[in-house]
Amino acid sequence: AQRVTQPEKLLSVFKGAPVELKCNYSYSGSPELFWYVQYSRQRLQLLLRHISRESIKGFTADLNKGETSFHLKKPFAQEEDSAMYYCALRGQGAQKLVFGQGTRLTINP
Amino acid sequence: SQTIHQWPATLVQPVGSPLSLECTVEGTSNPNLYWYRQAAGRGLQLLFYSVGIGQISSEVPQNLSASRPQDRQFILSSKKLLLSDSGFYLCASPGFENTEAFFGQGTRLTVV
Repeated sequence: AQRVTQPEKLLSVFKGAPVELKCNYSYSGSPELFWYVQYSRQRLQLLLRHISRESIKGFTADLNKGETSFHLKKPFAQEEDSAMYYCALRGQGAQKLVFGQGTRLTINP
Repeated sequence: SQTIHQWPATLVQPVGSPLSLECTVEGTSNPNLYWYRQAAGRGLQLLFYSVGIGQISSEVPQNLSASRPQDRQFILSSKKLLLSDSGFYLCASPGFENTEAFFGQGTRLTVV
């Protein structure tokens, strides 16, 4: 079964400080991992995916198969990063997208 | 790219009243479509998914039902709403390998 765990419901850091949003998953095959973000009054949108190995808005995430983790990181937080962040998993050949509980990130000035 | 239209944006309904939320998709054909619920403090829970017209799978037992009358239309319904049905409902097309998922703007349902 597919399962995604985000242990932190709320995370608050100061502007300029590093940010790490944790995500752990459970899946027996090779998963696709994603981070989605929901800014205030906007729809849920893709932030990044592990396949792309890219940095979006300063965020990066590395898939660690040994630890079954896909933590989201940014070295220097900005106020506009305040949002709800969801880690998501899609299994091999399947289209079912399973989300974690989400982490509400607040960047304090 | 795909666009998911979802309405209404907000809805306040009394307990025991019926519900119908509609979702339509543009920019693709024969999409898989999903309904998620985002309850306060509980993240996104998958409720139903549909792989085609008339095909509905339920992920969790609940007071709601879903229907897929047309290829690009997905409807979430209830005959009698409960207080616990309050939440934020999202329609999504989850994408397939190497593509992203697309989401509607969501409907905030408050049952009073």
